[in-house]
Amino acid sequence: QKEVEQDPGPLSVPEGAIVSLNCTYSNSAFQYFMWYRQYSRKGPELLMYTYSSGNKEDGRFTAQVDKSSKYISLFIRDSQPSDSATYLCAMMLSNYQLIWGAGTKLIIKP
Amino acid sequence: GAVVSQHPSWVICKSGTSVKIECRSLDFQATTMFWYRQFPKQSLMLMATSNEGSKATYEQGVEKDKFLINHASLTLSTLTVTSAHPEDSSFYICSARGMGDEQFFGPGTRLTVL
Repeated sequence: QKEVEQDPGPLSVPEGAIVSLNCTYSNSAFQYFMWYRQYSRKGPELLMYTYSSGNKEDGRFTAQVDKSSKYISLFIRDSQPSDSATYLCAMMLSNYQLIWGAGTKLIIKP
Repeated sequence: GAVVSQHPSWVICKSGTSVKIECRSLDFQATTMFWYRQFPKQSLMLMATSNEGSKATYEQGVEKDKFLINHASLTLSTLTVTSAHPEDSSFYICSARGMGDEQFFGPGTRLTVL
């Protein structure tokens, strides 16, 4: 079993829909939880960064962490074609090492 | 936000040659830099972690003599792929961490070995 599980997709939704992306994890030592967006042949771009259970909102993005269930989510409201990318969850250990999910390919259809 | 650059963005080389990839933090001092490798449709694989002025720590299975990492200053780290072979063709990405916890990623370097 991988430490971080993420459905690779692809996930295809119509423009304007609410997108829900999820990751589960098994290591209780993870202290920080991140979501990155990666366009094809580009480096990952940090979208959201949280360290406690609960919700964090930034514009159209909401990150949710449930440490008791070892489950994190990223919600995208009013999705746009430009949101089409691969979304990677990552979790940080105390030594700053990131453990990555497989990435979910998201396709927003106009 | 913090900016990390990589150079070159794309390199093609012949088998047996060595290739150097630079990673620079442009507007902050990087306490730690990380080097990743990413194959198509796969997630990032950490190769090594380097702190300025000290030897890099390589992940299990990564050949330190094959992938030479130098972190000579707080804004520059280099990855040299020595005697490159076609199986070394990949997307190499660096990231840098400043005083905080976040890692900022470079745009990546696509290496193609013929």
